[in-house]
Amino acid sequence: GAGVSQSPSNKVTEKGKDVELRCDPISGHTALYWYRQSLGQGLEFLIYFQGNSAPDKSGLPSDRFSAERTGGSVSTLTIQRTQQEDSAVYLCASSETGGGYQPQHFGDGTRLSIL
Amino acid sequence: AQRVTQPEKLLSVFKGAPVELKCNYSYSGSPELFWYVQYSRQRLQLLLRHISRESIKGFTADLNKGETSFHLKKPFAQEEDSAMYYCALLSGAQKLVFGQGTRLTINP
Repeated sequence: GAGVSQSPSNKVTEKGKDVELRCDPISGHTALYWYRQSLGQGLEFLIYFQGNSAPDKSGLPSDRFSAERTGGSVSTLTIQRTQQEDSAVYLCASSETGGGYQPQHFGDGTRLSIL
Repeated sequence: AQRVTQPEKLLSVFKGAPVELKCNYSYSGSPELFWYVQYSRQRLQLLLRHISRESIKGFTADLNKGETSFHLKKPFAQEEDSAMYYCALLSGAQKLVFGQGTRLTINP
């Protein structure tokens, strides 16, 4: 595709439910990132996948959050037992590799609202 | 600790006036810094990176290690510059640490 694709674009759910957010990176990009954009909090790093290496999960705020990346392409971010403080825009980004820093290309995000 | 601080949440200037968006960082090592921009109804996108030492859309940013700053500047603001601007620091191999962002409004 032309860019990073995220779905759904909006998700409203009740507190306590589980949610899954999907990210399709740019074809050929081996690095994939999840960030969270909360009101007044800026952008927070959540998790980073690079090829077949173990992911960097250092930004996940609690054990209710998990993510996987199947086949080195599509990624799913799962939030279990959602809380109201989970309400935010969840952004996915991807980048090439090849040595040195590669610019991250962002998707439109998923706006998650917990009632 | 690695941290990026953008002290101004909101900045408003008139068209044609100079604009400066402030960014300070905390990093033990040689930093690599970026400015990202998000225009209304568009995706977050890279504006410029200090290592390139380039000017994009009339914007420049100079890394000042003594003051640990990476302020974004433009001599003559244009209405289309209105957007949300984020300063970011590269942490480790690929992870970005973002500031809280500055919403820039250019008044006609």
